Amino acid sequence: ETGVTQTPRHLVMGMTNKKSLKCEQHLGHNAMYWYKQSAKKPLELMFVYNFKEQTENNSVPSRFSPECPNSSHLFLHLHTLQPEDSALYLCASSLGTSGEETQYFGPGTRLLVL
Amino acid sequence: GESVGLHLPTLSVQEGDNSIINCAYSNSASDYFIWYKQESGKGPQFIIDIRSNMDKRQGQRVTVLLNKTVKHLSLQIAATQPGDSAVYFCAESQPGGGNKLTFGTGTQLKVEL
Repeated sequence: ETGVTQTPRHLVMGMTNKKSLKCEQHLGHNAMYWYKQSAKKPLELMFVYNFKEQTENNSVPSRFSPECPNSSHLFLHLHTLQPEDSALYLCASSLGTSGEETQYFGPGTRLLVL
Repeated sequence: GESVGLHLPTLSVQEGDNSIINCAYSNSASDYFIWYKQESGKGPQFIIDIRSNMDKRQGQRVTVLLNKTVKHLSLQIAATQPGDSAVYFCAESQPGGGNKLTFGTGTQLKVEL
């Protein structure tokens, strides 16, 4: 195990639902990340938080809303998603964001939007 | 724009043979490179990294080679085992980039018994 946990592991939701993904890291890291992994596409960075402050929003649609209450927890709130948002959502953490700092990934949440 | 790509989408090797997975990158400013392994149903797992001031780095059964002249990165796995079957990603970052990684699409390594 990498020390990064994600819940739920699987989620099916309708386009009108509201749901949240949760990530928790037990590594004492200060930076946390959300990535989207679609089939046969590279991992896409969505958001970066460092010391609870958002430092990167990679042009993510507003139907995805991140929240970072502390350095150990990261949430991704979902509402009015589209079928093309179906993907594996991965959380990662690193000690910081100064560069060359290994990112450790959680197992991901497999999301299916109907 | 910048891109990190892998030459082969699928690589099949016999158990016990050595595997070589290649990666090309286009951003000459990239100075940090990482290889990740992703097994089915799991998140990417860190394997090995290398900085641009090095051209080779060895780990346990793995070696990463960096050729900055042609912007090429490779991962060598010695004595490939069934447990090595997975998708392998290279990723790179630039100085001052806030630790943002750019990932390649991945190579599926299949180990045949």
